[in-house]
Amino acid sequence: AQSVTQLGSHVSVSEGALVLLRCNYSSSVPPYLFWYVQYPNQGLQLLLKYTSAATLVKGINGFEAEFKKSETSFHLTKPSAHMSDAAEYFCAVTPGGSQGNLIFGKGTKLSVKP
Amino acid sequence: DTGVSQDPRHKITKRGQNVTFRCDPISEHNRLYWYRQTLGQGPEFLTYFQNEAQLEKSRLLSDRFSAERPKGSFSTLEIQRTEQGDSAMYLCASRGTSGYNEQFFGPGTRLTVL
Repeated sequence: AQSVTQLGSHVSVSEGALVLLRCNYSSSVPPYLFWYVQYPNQGLQLLLKYTSAATLVKGINGFEAEFKKSETSFHLTKPSAHMSDAAEYFCAVTPGGSQGNLIFGKGTKLSVKP
Repeated sequence: DTGVSQDPRHKITKRGQNVTFRCDPISEHNRLYWYRQTLGQGPEFLTYFQNEAQLEKSRLLSDRFSAERPKGSFSTLEIQRTEQGDSAMYLCASRGTSGYNEQFFGPGTRLTVL
């Protein structure tokens, strides 16, 4: 069965600092992996996706993530945090080729201090 | 606006009442998903449709819940005899036939059961 673990329910960084949000997955088949962002009282917006093409994936708003099969990880990074990055971030997995649902982690709330 | 829309955005009801939510997917998308999100958790899968066919239902979808997509376009989610535990954000997502199961989410319907 597939699952996602996000380490750290809350991460706080200073504006301009590196953002690192951790995601580890469990999947018996090569997965597709996603990062979504959710602003308060809104739906989820896709940041980026891994689909087995390139292990380093670039997304919107300056975010990127690296797929590491040996570590079963897909951590999200951004070199320099902006105040507007404050939101909740969700990692999700779906088995490669699956047409079914996404399985989400519990989310990490990112706070950005001025 | 060509995104996923949901109506209503907020619903407050008394325990025991029935409620119905509507989701309009992106027009060319044939797959439609419903998720439930409670406070501090990631979205949890409820059910999904391919065109008008309901292909999968989660164990979370008790017999008080029913979903339809009669013409393969919009979908409704009905909860009968609501309970306080049904209070959550109900999210709808859609995707097309191509791609890697990247799903596009609506803004959600927040249900509060008093």
